[in-house]
Amino acid sequence: GAVVSQHPSWVICKSGTSVKIECRSLDFQATTMFWYRQFPKQSLMLMATSNEGSKATYEQGVEKDKFLINHASLTLSTLTVTSAHPEDSSFYICSAQRGGPLNTEAFFGQGTRLTVV
Amino acid sequence: KQEVTQIPAALSVPEGENLVLNCSFTDSAIYNLQWFRQDPGKGLTSLLLIQSSQREQTSGRLNASLDKSSGRSTLYIAASQPGDSATYLCAAHNAGNMLTFGGGTRLMVKP
Repeated sequence: GAVVSQHPSWVICKSGTSVKIECRSLDFQATTMFWYRQFPKQSLMLMATSNEGSKATYEQGVEKDKFLINHASLTLSTLTVTSAHPEDSSFYICSAQRGGPLNTEAFFGQGTRLTVV
Repeated sequence: KQEVTQIPAALSVPEGENLVLNCSFTDSAIYNLQWFRQDPGKGLTSLLLIQSSQREQTSGRLNASLDKSSGRSTLYIAASQPGDSATYLCAAHNAGNMLTFGGGTRLMVKP
């Protein structure tokens, strides 16, 4: 399968600071990437869909000004948590899919554990 | 709106047992159905992808079936091993390449 690399795997930051998480597709071009949030013992909640060269599409209830998404190339999407607060502490996971209607298998990064203190 | 349900939520079995994990979805207009494995604190590993035109997929000891008309998929694990212990997630692929996840089944295989 394809490889998606997410960095960092964990980060601790102070309240009020911003944190950037990177998601890279290493061996394929991803026209679409997705960002998820996962709370302990719960399933994944889609936050936003990131499309290369255009604005991200956010799910209802997700603050676009707080969770900034940039998809500047076909292999890189970034999620920046701005002015982080303790309630933003969570596990964030990205996924990437090749373009086209037949290539919809999703490949996931390793996840990033964010702790805001 | 697509809703995906997985039963059971947790399962504990002795090593060597064959087991079945169930996944149901409300909207049968799916493109694909994908099964994942997640180890604690880790990302998701893709196990099997079943396209909407397919009935099943096999990989090693894993076999996944898909019945779109009834809105069901099952993941069959043969001869379970302690290393199979993880959370198993199914996800329905809908329009726009979007995934809707089930709540997962936490599997524990005891030596």
